[in-house]
Amino acid sequence: AQSVAQPEDQVNVAEGNPLTVKCTYSVSGNPYLFWYVQYPNRGLQFLLKYITGDNLVKGSYGFEAEFNKSQTSFHLKKPSALVSDSALYFCAVRGGTYKYIFGTGTRLKVLA
Amino acid sequence: EPEVTQTPSHQVTQMGQEVILRCVPISNHLYFYWYRQILGQKVEFLVSFYNNEISEKSEIFDDQFSVERPDGSNFTLKIRSTKLEDSAMYFCASSQGTGPSYEQYFGPGTRLTVT
Repeated sequence: AQSVAQPEDQVNVAEGNPLTVKCTYSVSGNPYLFWYVQYPNRGLQFLLKYITGDNLVKGSYGFEAEFNKSQTSFHLKKPSALVSDSALYFCAVRGGTYKYIFGTGTRLKVLA
Repeated sequence: EPEVTQTPSHQVTQMGQEVILRCVPISNHLYFYWYRQILGQKVEFLVSFYNNEISEKSEIFDDQFSVERPDGSNFTLKIRSTKLEDSAMYFCASSQGTGPSYEQYFGPGTRLTVT
């Protein structure tokens, strides 16, 4: 069965420092992986996806993610965190033709 | 940028009552979805809908749930007789297609509280 794990409930990072939000996955077949962000009172906003090709995927707002097949990971990264990056981040994997399977979410707090 | 919208933002209902949650997907999207998130838990898939038919549903989506596209713009989720455990945030989503290059776009959610 397809699944996604986000091992950290919360990540704290100082503004200007690099950030990493971790995600590992388990799929049968090709993994199609996604990161979404949720700000308060907003929907899940698409950040980036890995379908095939380069292991480093660039997305919105300066975020990028590194696909690592041997470690079955898809960690979200940003070289320099902003206070405005504070939000809830969800990793997801395509679980079939239609549905996404989400992780439990990681709350990112960027401290000024 | 086009957005998925949902109404109401918060719905409070009594156990056993029927509720209808409303969504307006992005206008050129063809595939529609409902997900839910019980407080503190994962976002879970409920159902997908295409061409006026359910294309996939999860085991959560039992006979108490139904979906409909009553006109060219709205997509609704009905819960016939709500239970306490239906209390959750319900997200609507839409996409242009279902291939891996088509990401789903989510609305802001409706918080349903069943008392």
